[in-house]
Amino acid sequence: NAGVTQTPKFQVLKTGQSMTLQCAQDMNHNSMYWYRQDPGMGLRLIYYSASEGTTDKGEVPNGYNVSRLNKREFSLRLESAAPSQTSVYFCASSEPGNHWGYGYTFGSGTRLTVV
Amino acid sequence: EDKVVQSPLSLVVHEGDTVTLNCSYEVTNFRSLLWYKQEKKAPTFLFMLTSSGIEKKSGRLSSILDKKELFSILNITATQTGDSAIYLCAVEPSNSGYALNFGKGTSLLVTP
Repeated sequence: NAGVTQTPKFQVLKTGQSMTLQCAQDMNHNSMYWYRQDPGMGLRLIYYSASEGTTDKGEVPNGYNVSRLNKREFSLRLESAAPSQTSVYFCASSEPGNHWGYGYTFGSGTRLTVV
Repeated sequence: EDKVVQSPLSLVVHEGDTVTLNCSYEVTNFRSLLWYKQEKKAPTFLFMLTSSGIEKKSGRLSSILDKKELFSILNITATQTGDSAIYLCAVEPSNSGYALNFGKGTSLLVTP
């Protein structure tokens, strides 16, 4: 039972390069999320998808785009990476309903460094 | 704007000490508050609190919620070095599909 799978686990980019972080879940969850985590900043929401076919901006969306490819997959794209995007990125999923926060499942994270 | 504020931001204690971590919130349409432990990887779930005054307990960890004063505390008794981690507080709004709103976390270091 894989849960939430993120790829890659580590990545180094040069400033200006682009890349896509992949996230897939096998729990049939409707909602998916992308967070970034910087030292001392907790988890900040970049984008979320409440259900297949919808996406919305979170707290820190600038410099990112997302695609909810299907119910399982939610990708995060950096079009022109900047050093300020050096961070650890977490994907998560949940099922809307009663106390959906209880079933929040995180991926193992992607450590991205932009030089 | 919704806010979740944790204090202290960092804490160093000796093994055997008792610690209290705080989380206050200003969130519209509050439904529940969750605590997570994070050790250099993804956060792991500790507690979910929905009702005021009811303590949740798991071993040496316990937590309680005060919905009138809008805060929660996480207590860890007889701390061990394995308790060293970042402790995250998150609030669940009642809108289904909306994201958890996290605080900045408390970094706890337990020294031998």
